[in-house]
Amino acid sequence: ELKVEQNPLFLSMQEGKNYTIYCNYSTTSDRLYWYRQDPGKSLESLFVLLSNGAVKQEGRLMASLDTKARLSTLHITAAVHDLSATYFCAVTFPNTGNQFYFGTGTSLTVIP
Amino acid sequence: DVKVTQSSRYLVKRTGEKVFLECVQDMDHENMFWYRQDPGLGLRLIYFSYDVKMKEKGDIPEGYSVSREKKERFSLILESASTNQTSMYLCASISRDRVGPGGYTFGSGTRLTVV
Repeated sequence: ELKVEQNPLFLSMQEGKNYTIYCNYSTTSDRLYWYRQDPGKSLESLFVLLSNGAVKQEGRLMASLDTKARLSTLHITAAVHDLSATYFCAVTFPNTGNQFYFGTGTSLTVIP
Repeated sequence: DVKVTQSSRYLVKRTGEKVFLECVQDMDHENMFWYRQDPGLGLRLIYFSYDVKMKEKGDIPEGYSVSREKKERFSLILESASTNQTSMYLCASISRDRVGPGGYTFGSGTRLTVV
């Protein structure tokens, strides 16, 4: 079964702290994406990770991919309130066309 | 600079009505998708289309149908709306060869309430 699991579902963290969101998937993937969704809004693309060991960074967010462990992480450094949002990972698998399989999302709240 | 447009941000419909949700993209993408998003359930795929006049069932197609008569437009139809179809509906598109770094381009979403 093609499955993507994401945890935690909810994350409340203080400003200035670090934390990591985890995304596991069930079998060999093509690509892995991270998206951000603000309340009441649509999803915006953050990163795409293509190969084992890939690392992408923008601002306080850093995403990495370990294809052997079938695991991607989204690391948040020194969180600020503006990072409060829901974060989704999405995976494409071989021979499934361009269908994206989404994790359940992590709702992040950064508290002053 | 809007690339995927969903015709309505908010809709309120009555039980039993036939509902049309429209999605138009201007990027000449072959592939288009309809998802619904519910709290705690993430995004679930309803239907998708690889090209004009093509359609494939996703994970939860029951109670829905789709139409893709033109490349740029992908319509989701609720044949007889029910209260359990109250949800946020998201349209997305992508080129067949995934040109561009961001994966799917999403529309702004339609929040449908069935009363």
